[in-house]
Amino acid sequence: GAVVSQHPSRVICKSGTSVKIECRSLDFQATTMFWYRQFPKKSLMLMATSNEGSKATYEQGVEKDKFLINHASLTLSTLTVTSAHPEDSSFYICSAREPSGTIELFFGSGTQLSVL
Amino acid sequence: DAKTTQPPSMDCAEGRAANLPCNHSTISGNEYVYWYRQIHSQGPQYIIHGLKNNETNEMASLIITEDRKSSTLILPHATLRDTAVYYCIVSYAGNNRKLIWGLGTSLAVNP
Repeated sequence: GAVVSQHPSRVICKSGTSVKIECRSLDFQATTMFWYRQFPKKSLMLMATSNEGSKATYEQGVEKDKFLINHASLTLSTLTVTSAHPEDSSFYICSAREPSGTIELFFGSGTQLSVL
Repeated sequence: DAKTTQPPSMDCAEGRAANLPCNHSTISGNEYVYWYRQIHSQGPQYIIHGLKNNETNEMASLIITEDRKSSTLILPHATLRDTAVYYCIVSYAGNNRKLIWGLGTSLAVNP
């Protein structure tokens, strides 16, 4: 099956710094990628939909200036958490879909962000 | 997208079949039923999906009732590695469709 690689798997940063998370589709071109956030014992919450070459579409309540998403190529999307604060600590997950017609999503392994 | 209802938790003995139910009584005619699972601290993993016919792959079987208002995911011989949260989601198959995630069923496979 298709593989989505997400890095880093875990990051600890100081409050006020920015953190970049990468999501790569390794063996297919992903025209659309999705970014989710998950708090402990909670379900996945969609943050934004990222389309290659265009601006991301953010879900209601998600600050686009705080969570910068770049999808500059068909195999790479990045999420940058700017000026991170402790309340941004969460598990961030990306997913991608093959454009050829398959309808299942493939997920990265997730990034655990801890802001001190 | 239609909403789903799943039991919050289930237990299963190792080697036995695990049958995970899902109710989706408001499903529309062109919405698929998807199943994913999430092992602790990992990203979700696709398991199987179906529209109206029963489906089987190397991981599991999906049984959808004739009225499509409910489905059951069957893990035929559960192992300890199948311990995870299992999510049942119904959604259209459009390119930018959004998956609405509930809390799923936490399956514990016991030795």
